[in-house]
Amino acid sequence: GAVVSQHPSRVICKSGTSVKIECRSLDFQATTMFWYRQFPKQSLMLMATSNEGSKATYEQGVEKDKFLINHASLTLSTLTVTSAHPEDSSFYICSARTRTGGGSPLHFGNGTRLTVT
Amino acid sequence: DQQVKQNSPSLSVQEGRISILNCDYTNSMFDYFLWYKKYPAEGPTFLISISSIKDKNEDGRFTVFLNKSAKHLSLHIVPSQPGDSAVYFCAALVSGGYQKVTFGIGTKLQVIP
Repeated sequence: GAVVSQHPSRVICKSGTSVKIECRSLDFQATTMFWYRQFPKQSLMLMATSNEGSKATYEQGVEKDKFLINHASLTLSTLTVTSAHPEDSSFYICSARTRTGGGSPLHFGNGTRLTVT
Repeated sequence: DQQVKQNSPSLSVQEGRISILNCDYTNSMFDYFLWYKKYPAEGPTFLISISSIKDKNEDGRFTVFLNKSAKHLSLHIVPSQPGDSAVYFCAALVSGGYQKVTFGIGTKLQVIP
């Protein structure tokens, strides 16, 4: 089946630094990738949608200058949390879909636990 | 405004019995629904889906029922196994256009051996 690899799985950083999270589709080409964020006891909240070769579409309330998304190829999307603050500590999950149209299931990475100290 | 609601945060079921997880939605534009299973420290895994043109979809031990008039769907697992213990997310989307997937908060299922 389709495999999405997310790296790193866990990262601790200091306030003010930037962290990059990678999301790779290993055995398929992902024209669209999604970045989610999950706070404890809450649902997965979509942060942004990235399409290969174009600018990401951010959800309302998500700062695009803080959460930089790059989808330079059909197999790689990156999320960079810039100038991280403790309130950015969360579980970030990427997902990919192979085609648009219809209800193709999303294939998720294993997530990244970010802790900002 | 939570468009996909899972009102039961947790559920305990005896091994071999049926597990029923419920989900309600408010957006009448949703026409495709999915269930995902999530273990700790892992990403969600797709389980089963259903289109709004159907009222039932079955895959092995997993069956999803959709009641469009009530805006309600449910996931039945029978027989339940200890390995089914996980958090189950209900999700919905509008299949045309943007296709943003909206998730519920999840229900933690514990299957007791």
